[in-house]
Amino acid sequence: QVQLVQSGAEVKKPGASVKVSCKASGYTFTSYDINWVRQATGQGLEWMGWMNPNSGNTGYAQKFQGRVTMTRNTSISTAYMELSSLRSEDTAVYYCARGRGHGRYWGQGTLVTVSS
Amino acid sequence: SYVLTQPPSVSVAPGKTARITCGGNNIGSKSVHWYQQKPGQAPVLVIYYDSDRPSGIPERFSGSNSGNTATLTISRVEAGDEADYYCQVWDSSSAFVVFGGGTKLTVL
Repeated sequence: QVQLVQSGAEVKKPGASVKVSCKASGYTFTSYDINWVRQATGQGLEWMGWMNPNSGNTGYAQKFQGRVTMTRNTSISTAYMELSSLRSEDTAVYYCARGRGHGRYWGQGTLVTVSS
Repeated sequence: SYVLTQPPSVSVAPGKTARITCGGNNIGSKSVHWYQQKPGQAPVLVIYYDSDRPSGIPERFSGSNSGNTATLTISRVEAGDEADYYCQVWDSSSAFVVFGGGTKLTVL
């Protein structure tokens, strides 16, 4: 069965960076895009960007351009999302989701807390 | 940038039909996807490509899309359908994903 398992919760200080992982299993990792979506407490879903695990090509939402980097390690079927220059407003649950256009499978979410 | 507009809340009695709308400029020309999200859980895809249902999603969930409005319809609403619902489109020209603001469905 398809599974996306994300890394554990993180607490970071303002200005730091965070790198969240998303390990895929149950399918060919390079066959489907990975999207990253975040959700602040009590807020809606916010799309951050996508990555093609086969080519490494990426597309980032304008809001995150220059601060986000999406990468992958195909040998271990894992996608990564790194967000830099963290501020308190980046406190949220970060999700990875498989698919281009829509997310049929989602990770369980990773809570990132930014606090001094 | 493309904007999707959803009503913040919809209320419906058990057994009745709930309709959640998603407005966007000429949204009928795009493929719309819908997610259900319950508290503390990841979103679940309930409708994709306007009206297709993933396996495991009850037939009570259906979707339509025309003109400037897409609609998620939930028939014979149950208490377990109470959740937040989000519409989403993929803008292929810009390769961007857009989410609506979400609608909280309350089952009375």
